[in-house]
Amino acid sequence: EVQLVESGGDFVQPGGSLRLSCAASGFTFSKYWMHWVRQAPGKGLEWVSRIRPDGYADYADSVKGRFIVSRDNAKNTQYLQMNSLRAEDTAVYYCGKDVHDVAMDVRGQGTTVTVS
Amino acid sequence: QSVLTQPPSVSAAPGQKVTISCSGGSSNIGNHYVAWYRHLPGTAPKLLIFDTYKRPSGIPDRFSGSKSGTSATLDITGLQTGDEADYYCAVWDDSLSAGVFGGGTKLTVL
Repeated sequence: EVQLVESGGDFVQPGGSLRLSCAASGFTFSKYWMHWVRQAPGKGLEWVSRIRPDGYADYADSVKGRFIVSRDNAKNTQYLQMNSLRAEDTAVYYCGKDVHDVAMDVRGQGTTVTVS
Repeated sequence: QSVLTQPPSVSAAPGQKVTISCSGGSSNIGNHYVAWYRHLPGTAPKLLIFDTYKRPSGIPDRFSGSKSGTSATLDITGLQTGDEADYYCAVWDDSLSAGVFGGGTKLTVL
């Protein structure tokens, strides 16, 4: 069974940094694109990033230049390094296993980032 | 403001059918597959439809997706009170080189 467990969320001051992790199991992690999506309080879902098995990544304009997504295929883990954090980055962050394009399988409960 | 436009809310009675629309453009819906999600805040978004009309394993055929030009549609038949949730369309956008979600539609089953 696919399992995705997000962690690393915390309270952080504006301008600060945080690294989120997504531990995967139940599938061959090294063969799949992985995504991050988020939901700010009272807002809708927002796509954040995706990373290819070889490390190539795409980002939403709202985080480009501030966030860096990476992965360790040996550890079956995806990371999201979040720098220069802003209040508008406050959200629950979910990771997803790619199905196709922006279709993804999201299994975890998310991890909460609060920038204040 | 999202590049994908969804109605903020829809409603229908139990057992009825509801249609949720998602309007985009040539750089997104017009050129890519569409996905649909159901989401209750605090829980993981649930993938309902991928590749515009395909259902993941375990998703009942009450849920169906389609696309025409630059607009996509999610139909839900045989509505149940448990279907109350927020529904989102999502697609890749070539102009942004990024994924985009619609603003979401709140479904109320009266």
